[in-house]
Amino acid sequence: AQSVAQPEDQVNVAEGNPLTVKCTYSVSGNPYLFWYVQYPNRGLQFLLKYITGDNLVKGSYGFEAEFNKSQTSFHLKKPSALVSDSALYFCAVRDNVGTYKYIFGTGTRLKVLA
Amino acid sequence: DSGVTQTPKHLITATGQRVTLRCSPRSGDLSVYWYQQSLDQGLQFLIQYYNGEERAKGNILERFSAQQFPDLHSELNLSSLELGDSALYFCASSSGVAAPYEQYFGPGTRLTVT
Repeated sequence: AQSVAQPEDQVNVAEGNPLTVKCTYSVSGNPYLFWYVQYPNRGLQFLLKYITGDNLVKGSYGFEAEFNKSQTSFHLKKPSALVSDSALYFCAVRDNVGTYKYIFGTGTRLKVLA
Repeated sequence: DSGVTQTPKHLITATGQRVTLRCSPRSGDLSVYWYQQSLDQGLQFLIQYYNGEERAKGNILERFSAQQFPDLHSELNLSSLELGDSALYFCASSSGVAAPYEQYFGPGTRLTVT
């Protein structure tokens, strides 16, 4: 069965510092991986996805994510955090064997401190 | 604005009652997904429809049902409501089903069962 784990409930980082939000996954076959962000009282917004190809995926708002097959990880990164990046971040996975289900992680709250 | 609309925005009802949540997908999107977000369980996938047909089922209770209509809007019906059903219910849409399309989320319906 497919699953995704976000091991940190909260990540605190100082403004201007690099940030990393961790995600590991388990799927049958090759994974499709996604990151979404949720601001307070809003729906989730798509940030980026990995389907195949280059292991470094670039997305919206300066975010990027690195796919690591051997470590089954898809960590979200940004070189320089902004206070406005403070939000709830979700990693999601879908397998490619036809179930069409998207499984979301439990979310990581990112707090960027001024 | 994602282009996905959900009504109502808030709903307060009593235990044992039945409610209907409505979702209109982005123009041109054929797939609709329903999710439940609660504080202790994160974002749970409930069910997916594609062009009127059910395509994937997640952790949806038997008391819950959904359908997608010919005009592609979808409704999620929740019956015999319990206190534990209080949550945010999100609808999302995407272009198709087989390819790993990103999903566009609506603003959610906050259900409070008293």
